[in-house]
Amino acid sequence: GAVVSQHPSRVICKSGTSVKIECRSLDFQATTMFWYRQFPKKSLMLMATSNEGSKATYEQGVEKDKFLINHASLTLSTLTVTSAHPEDSSFYICSAAPGHTYEQYFGPGTRLTVT
Amino acid sequence: QKEVEQNSGPLSVPEGAIASLNCTYSDRVSQSFFWYRQYSGKSPELIMSIYSNGDKEDGRFTAQLNKASQYVSLLIRDSQPSDSATYLCAVNPRGDDKIIFGKGTRLHILP
Repeated sequence: GAVVSQHPSRVICKSGTSVKIECRSLDFQATTMFWYRQFPKKSLMLMATSNEGSKATYEQGVEKDKFLINHASLTLSTLTVTSAHPEDSSFYICSAAPGHTYEQYFGPGTRLTVT
Repeated sequence: QKEVEQNSGPLSVPEGAIASLNCTYSDRVSQSFFWYRQYSGKSPELIMSIYSNGDKEDGRFTAQLNKASQYVSLLIRDSQPSDSATYLCAVNPRGDDKIIFGKGTRLHILP
């Protein structure tokens, strides 16, 4: 199956700082990647769709200036949480879909804790 | 509003029995359907995809699709304790890149 990696797996940062999370498709090219957030015992929530070479499409209620997404190549998308606050503490998961299918393959996730 | 509905559970099934997980969706023209498994603290893992009416089998898993009833199900035969997880139903409506996830059903296999 398709493999997606994420880095880092865990990060602790201070309030007000920024954190960058990388998502890579390791064995396929992905023109589209997705970023999700999941709070403990809650549903998966789509934050944005990342498009290679163009601007990301954000879901309603997600601040694009706070959650910066860059999809610079067909195998890499990054999510930067800017000016992080404790309420941004969550499990951030990316996914990617090989171009010929709508199946999404998820990275292992990044657990962000903002102190 | 495109929706995917699942019973949140928990669904408790004895080890060795068949676990049956159900899902309904609202967008009649949806084309692609997926089942993901998510262990606590982990990211979702794709276990089955189905695109046509009928059954699709893969090992102990069988996905069933009935587009007329807008219903998708997942059967797990010979349930094992390692099958205890949350199962997410997902639907790709109208060929959009996005897929819509249900809230998931927690499955607990009793040893």
